[in-house]
Amino acid sequence: GQNIDQPTEMTATEGAIVQINCTYQTSGFNGLFWYQQHAGEAPTFLSYNVLDGLEEKGRFSSFLSRSKGYSYLLLKELQMKDSASYLCAVLDSNYQLIWGAGTKLIIKP
Amino acid sequence: EPEVTQTPSHQVTQMGQEVILRCVPISNHLYFYWYRQILGQKVEFLVSFYNNEISEKSEIFDDQFSVERPDGSNFTLKIRSTKLEDSAMYFCASSERVLEIAYEQYFGPGTRLTVT
Repeated sequence: GQNIDQPTEMTATEGAIVQINCTYQTSGFNGLFWYQQHAGEAPTFLSYNVLDGLEEKGRFSSFLSRSKGYSYLLLKELQMKDSASYLCAVLDSNYQLIWGAGTKLIIKP
Repeated sequence: EPEVTQTPSHQVTQMGQEVILRCVPISNHLYFYWYRQILGQKVEFLVSFYNNEISEKSEIFDDQFSVERPDGSNFTLKIRSTKLEDSAMYFCASSERVLEIAYEQYFGPGTRLTVT
């Protein structure tokens, strides 16, 4: 079966750094996406990784290790508006996006 | 900034009724998708559509579901005979290029479908 695991909930402090991990087991791999979803809203694209390594985009970075089936999203200089769910999604061999359940990130002042 | 729009924002229907959910993708995008998210659960892929035909569909997308691009702007999802378990948020998305060459999908705000 296909499985994507990420922590259910994390808490961090404003201004700090947080790392959200994602492990996956899918039928094929054509890339991994991170999306942000505020409650009651649509997901918005954050990053895409298809090769091993770190992709940096402003305060957000995403890392991929294909051999380990592992990715993380790193958020720096946390702001209150970063409170949201962060969804890890893998594009499988059928080019379907398989989604994790999301990590709810709570930012405290 | 161009955006994907969806109507209605909320649809309430009785079990067994047909519903049509509407989406207007971003105008220069060529690839269209439907996803659903049952309250408190993960996003699930339903179907992708390109060049006026279905590219991929999931196991969820059975004979009760159909998609159509009736004109140059709208992209619709029809559920022929709704069931209670169809209650969910339905997201439409579009992208300029297909995902394997790493182009992001833009999501609409969603239609919340409630089947009673």
